[in-house]
Amino acid sequence: EDQVTQSPEALRLQEGESSSLNCSYTVSGLRGLFWYRQDPGKGPEFLFTLYSAGEEKEKERLKATLTKKESFLHITAPKPEDSATYLCAVPGGGSEKLVFGKGTKLTVNP
Amino acid sequence: DGGITQSPKYLFRKEGQNVTLSCEQNLNHDAMYWYRQDPGQGLRLIYYSQIVNDFQKGDIAEGYSVSREKKESFPLTVTSAQKNPTAFYLCASSIREMAMGEQYFGPGTRLTVT
Repeated sequence: EDQVTQSPEALRLQEGESSSLNCSYTVSGLRGLFWYRQDPGKGPEFLFTLYSAGEEKEKERLKATLTKKESFLHITAPKPEDSATYLCAVPGGGSEKLVFGKGTKLTVNP
Repeated sequence: DGGITQSPKYLFRKEGQNVTLSCEQNLNHDAMYWYRQDPGQGLRLIYYSQIVNDFQKGDIAEGYSVSREKKESFPLTVTSAQKNPTAFYLCASSIREMAMGEQYFGPGTRLTVT
């Protein structure tokens, strides 16, 4: 069964304290991995698409990387406005559906 | 500005009543999706549509119904048969060729049924 597991469930950082979020997946034939940011009470906002192992994408303080089994979202010198839940998703093997992880709730304290 | 709109933002209903959630997009996307989000759970797919007048059940379609009469609109009806309808409902759309990928979400509708 296709599965996406995100860890940790929650992460508290001090402003400027860099860290990484993990997204591990099991799916037959990866056709992409997607990262989203979701603020409380709002819809997810698309961040990145990664298609092949070794690929990296950057946006401001965020950098997403991909291996054959997992993806990392690295946050460098985070600010309080980076606080949100970060979701990752992969297309289900042989289907038109996205399989989402449960997300990592990031809190950055000033 | 292009985007996805959902209305209303908050919706309250009595148990036993059907309720319809609105979703409109002006991105000219072919594919549209409805998800349900509950605390501590990932997004779960209710229904999706890749083309007008066609839609498919997702993982949790029981108690829900949809229609796709226009490209830009994909309303979701939560029927009285849905046992636990209180949740946050999200609509999304994508270009058909990337139906598995970059989905763009609306702001969501929080439904409370008492």
